Amino acid sequence: GQQVMQIPQYQHVQEGEDFTTYCNSSTTLSNIQWYKQRPGGHPVFLIQLVKSGEVKKQKRLTFQFGEAKKNSSLHITATQTTDVGTYFCAGPTSGGYQKVTFGIGTKLQVIP
Amino acid sequence: NAGVTQTPKFRVLKTGQSMTLLCAQDMNHEYMYWYRQDPGMGLRLIHYSVGEGTTAKGEVPDGYNVSRLKKQNFLLGLESAAPSQTSVYFCASSFGTGRTDTQYFGPGTRLTVL
Repeated sequence: GQQVMQIPQYQHVQEGEDFTTYCNSSTTLSNIQWYKQRPGGHPVFLIQLVKSGEVKKQKRLTFQFGEAKKNSSLHITATQTTDVGTYFCAGPTSGGYQKVTFGIGTKLQVIP
Repeated sequence: NAGVTQTPKFRVLKTGQSMTLLCAQDMNHEYMYWYRQDPGMGLRLIHYSVGEGTTAKGEVPDGYNVSRLKKQNFLLGLESAAPSQTSVYFCASSFGTGRTDTQYFGPGTRLTVL
């Protein structure tokens, strides 16, 4: 079945350093979503990428969708303590649009 | 709008007991989902519904049942709880536009089975 792999699983960075998480799919995706979950909280939608090679920015966050639409990345510039949390990518599950498969998530710790 | 709400927030069960988790949304969403989240496993889909009166199995449906009698509610039942069902359960909903929509998550239910 379809798999959405995400690395790294954990990342500790010093405040002010950059951070990147990568997402890879075993199949071509029509789109990819990114969610953030704060400690003790619930996942919250960040963004959806649809086009091949698409790049979107949200302040210090840059999201990319690969040319082959099988991989994506989230890059945070100059991390802040407010960036702490787990970042998930999610792609449509094979055979339908009604559900998505989530990556395992990357847990980001920011050391002040 | 309250968005997606879940009841209860916490629960402790003994092995073999049953319980129902309630999810409610006030956004008139067509699709609703139940996930479980375990350390190192990400979010795994248990069951989902694409409309009132319909349900379907997700990735890990065994040991769970669901019902969607009203559009705004999605119930998750555990008939005979097992320690392996200790987890955090999230409900989510989405518009159901025929594309991959944003999922809106509830605050979660932390369940411990002893």
